[in-house]
Amino acid sequence: QVRLVQSGTEVQKPGASVKVSCRTSGYTFTDFYVHWVRQAPGQGLEWVGWINPHSGDTNYAQTFQGRVALTGDTSINTAYMEVTGLRPDDTAVYYCAKEAVDNSCFDYWGQGSLVIVSS
Amino acid sequence: QSVLTQPPSVSGAAGQSVTISCTGSSSNIGAGYDVHWYQQFPGTAPKLLISGDRDRPSGVPDRFSGSKSGASASLAITGLQADDEADYYCQSFDTSLRGVFGGGTKLTVL
Repeated sequence: QVRLVQSGTEVQKPGASVKVSCRTSGYTFTDFYVHWVRQAPGQGLEWVGWINPHSGDTNYAQTFQGRVALTGDTSINTAYMEVTGLRPDDTAVYYCAKEAVDNSCFDYWGQGSLVIVSS
Repeated sequence: QSVLTQPPSVSGAAGQSVTISCTGSSSNIGAGYDVHWYQQFPGTAPKLLISGDRDRPSGVPDRFSGSKSGASASLAITGLQADDEADYYCQSFDTSLRGVFGGGTKLTVL
């Protein structure tokens, strides 16, 4: 079955960087885009960006342009999201999600990775 | 401020029906992009509820239905049950192929 398993909680200081992983299984990693979504405490969902694991092409929300990098390692079917220049308002749960085959919805989600930015 | 507009909250009595609206613009829903809906319980990842404007994934009860007209979409829930209490989000894409979400709607079952 399809699974997306994310790395655990990270605590980082302002200005630092964090790299979150999303290990996929149960489908062909290179066939489907992987999206990343952020949810700050008590807030709604915010789209971060997508990566095409086959080509490495990416697309980012303007809010995250220049501070987020999405990458993929096809040898271990894993997607990564790196956020640089962390700020306290980057404290959030970050989800990875697989795009569906027949439309652009997110049909499978990771369990979420909590990133806490605090001095 | 979210790109797609949803009411912050809706409520309905058990057994009754509610509708959650999702309003976009000519840059996203109105440009023809599909609308998808997700259900999220506290502390858990969102779950796909409706895809492609109106399609229910396997396992989603037919009490949930989606529709779209122009730059707006709606999620209807009939026969409300206590375990429908959750947050509901609409999602689409814009003309730059960037994802957009609604701000979310908290459903309370009275």
